[in-house]
Amino acid sequence: DADVTQTPRNRITKTGKRIMLECSQTKGHDRMYWYRQDPGLGLRLIYYSFDVKDINKGEISDGYSVSRQAQAKFSLSLESAIPNQTALYFCATSLAGGRNEQFFGPGTRLTVL
Amino acid sequence: DQQVKQNSPSLSVQEGRISILNCDYTNSMFDYFLWYKKYPAEGPTFLISISSIKDKNEDGRFTVFLNKSAKHLSLHIVPSQPGDSAVYFCAASAGTSYGKLTFGQGTILTVHP
Repeated sequence: DADVTQTPRNRITKTGKRIMLECSQTKGHDRMYWYRQDPGLGLRLIYYSFDVKDINKGEISDGYSVSRQAQAKFSLSLESAIPNQTALYFCATSLAGGRNEQFFGPGTRLTVL
Repeated sequence: DQQVKQNSPSLSVQEGRISILNCDYTNSMFDYFLWYKKYPAEGPTFLISISSIKDKNEDGRFTVFLNKSAKHLSLHIVPSQPGDSAVYFCAASAGTSYGKLTFGQGTILTVHP
């Protein structure tokens, strides 16, 4: 079954550490996205990529960076984690063109102490 | 600045009755709207969408209504079932935003047997 997977599913780290969250998809979609979910704020877009050579900042990109290693892989890095980056992180994918539905991974729960 | 707002954090209904979830938006450039459903420990899944050229879209028990003049949309679930208990997010996109979604804060729906 074509899917969107995220690793790790849970991570606890300390302030100042570098963290990488990984996303892989077998859907063959060109577009990939990273969101974070905070209580009372919904999902907010961090970065998005419409193909391997196209990466764009979302509304809350400060403190984050991304890498699109291949069509199927999109990684999110926190260069120096801070406690207010504690959140639930979701990767999503969609087909290129038009108003296509986004398919979400199961999420990574990140805690920064 | 929250461009998409779901002002009810939670809603509780009896099985078999109607559930009505509301969403307001402020950006007049939004022209496509979606509802996502999220269970605990899973990513959001697409439920239903509506284009601004329509005022209603129906899919089985789920109907979305759009009132452009009021910048308001609602999701009706009839009849509600216990399995509908989840967090519901509305999302919006603008024609020029190339697939970027802006999400509301979410509403927790609980359907009691």
